[in-house]
Amino acid sequence: GQQLNQSPQSMFIQEGEDVSMNCTSSSIFNTWLWYKQDPGEGPVLLIALYKAGELTSNGRLTAQFGITRKDSFLNISASIPSDVGIYFCAGLTLNAGNNRKLIWGLGTSLAVNP
Amino acid sequence: DTGVSQDPRHKITKRGQNVTFRCDPISEHNRLYWYRQTLGQGPEFLTYFQNEAQLEKSRLLSDRFSAERPKGSFSTLEIQRTEQGDSAMYLCASSLPSGTSGRVGVYNEQFFGPGTRLTVL
Repeated sequence: GQQLNQSPQSMFIQEGEDVSMNCTSSSIFNTWLWYKQDPGEGPVLLIALYKAGELTSNGRLTAQFGITRKDSFLNISASIPSDVGIYFCAGLTLNAGNNRKLIWGLGTSLAVNP
Repeated sequence: DTGVSQDPRHKITKRGQNVTFRCDPISEHNRLYWYRQTLGQGPEFLTYFQNEAQLEKSRLLSDRFSAERPKGSFSTLEIQRTEQGDSAMYLCASSLPSGTSGRVGVYNEQFFGPGTRLTVL
């Protein structure tokens, strides 16, 4: 199925460092979402972006909706051990039946060394 | 706990057996989704319900797969004659319908359950 290009695939950083990951698509999306998934759990929504150019923060997280509507990035500042997990971007699209569908990236696996 | 729950959390079965998973959504959510997730991949959409109506099915959902939501509350996903390629995490999510927030175009968050991990031997 259709998926987004998410990079990097994995990151291993020191506690306190900043992290950046991004997603690109050949298609335009009207909504970009960033989820985090902990091992053995379902994804949890971190940030939702609705307008091209929008920059939104949630605590130490900052995400932007690209001007072209084909990309988004997520930054995590001052990482801590509990930031460990897999981060997914997702774009919301309308299908032929006018139903909304989430298209997912492959995830960025983040490991934080205390 | 008022989140989405799934049962069982883990299922190991032999190839050819049938398995059934259950999902209990958040009580006021009338939309329910099923996804499949394999290692190193994002969730892949399988199907979704609005109340008891199954409104969309992915091409990933072969004839061996069937999902039901008979009373518009909990849902079941059955896989018949399981194959090794069916091994995956099966995620359920629920949400309010689009537009419920009152803001046009605002995403009504899909809340995910913990998933059922299926291993087919």
